[in-house]
Amino acid sequence: AQRVTQPEKLLSVFKGAPVELKCNYSYSGSPELFWYVQYSRQRLQLLLRHISRESIKGFTADLNKGETSFHLKKPFAQEEDSAMYYCALSYNAGNMLTFGGGTRLMVKP
Amino acid sequence: EAGVAQSPRYKIIEKRQSVAFWCNPISGHATLYWYQQILGQGPKLLIQFQNNGVVDDSQLPKDRFSAERLKGVDSTLKIQPAKLEDSAVYLCASSPSGYTGAFFGQGTRLTVV
Repeated sequence: AQRVTQPEKLLSVFKGAPVELKCNYSYSGSPELFWYVQYSRQRLQLLLRHISRESIKGFTADLNKGETSFHLKKPFAQEEDSAMYYCALSYNAGNMLTFGGGTRLMVKP
Repeated sequence: EAGVAQSPRYKIIEKRQSVAFWCNPISGHATLYWYQQILGQGPKLLIQFQNNGVVDDSQLPKDRFSAERLKGVDSTLKIQPAKLEDSAVYLCASSPSGYTGAFFGQGTRLTVV
C-alpha cells in the first residue's frame, strides 16, 4: 500500500532563512508526487508537481527515487509562505491521491 | 474560471442524525472526489467518480456513508447515522480527464455533538 510521511508537524523559521519541508513516500509502482498548500482561510491548492520540474513562488522539489523522498525547498523564506503544506502521491493510474499529514510552516519576521 | 463549489460551509448535528453535503465541480471536469480531513491529519480519499460511475470507494464506510453523482455533474455525500468520529472537514475536488492532481473546494466543516 502507498504511504506518504511528513515527519515535521511544525517548522518555524525566520524570514530570509532557507526552508526544507520533508516528504518521504512508499509505493511499489511509479509514483507521481505533488505538493499542495493551504493558506489561512483558503482552499487547498496545488503548489507544484514533480513531472513539471518547475519552480513556483521560489519553491522547488526534486523526486529522489533512491531515497523515496520529495522534499520541498526554498532558499529564502518569506512571511507570506506561512501555511500548511501537504505532500501527496498519485497512485493506481486512477489519479487517486494519498496525502501526508501536513507540515505547518511559520515564517517569523 | 469558477472553482469547485461546496455547501454548506459549516454544519453541526447531533450523533445519530443524518447530514448531506453538496458539491458542484468545475465545469467539464469528469472526475470528482470526496475526501475526509480529520483535524491534524491530511485528507483521506473516500470515493472517486469518473463521470457518474464509481472508480473507487474502498475507503468509504458504506454502512453509514453514501455518495452519488447524478448526470455526471453535481454530487452529494450523505452520512446516516452520524457518529462523533465523523467530525471532520469534507472536501470535494475535481479534475479533467487525463490530468493528475485535483482542484479542491473550500470544504464543509462537520461537527457531530
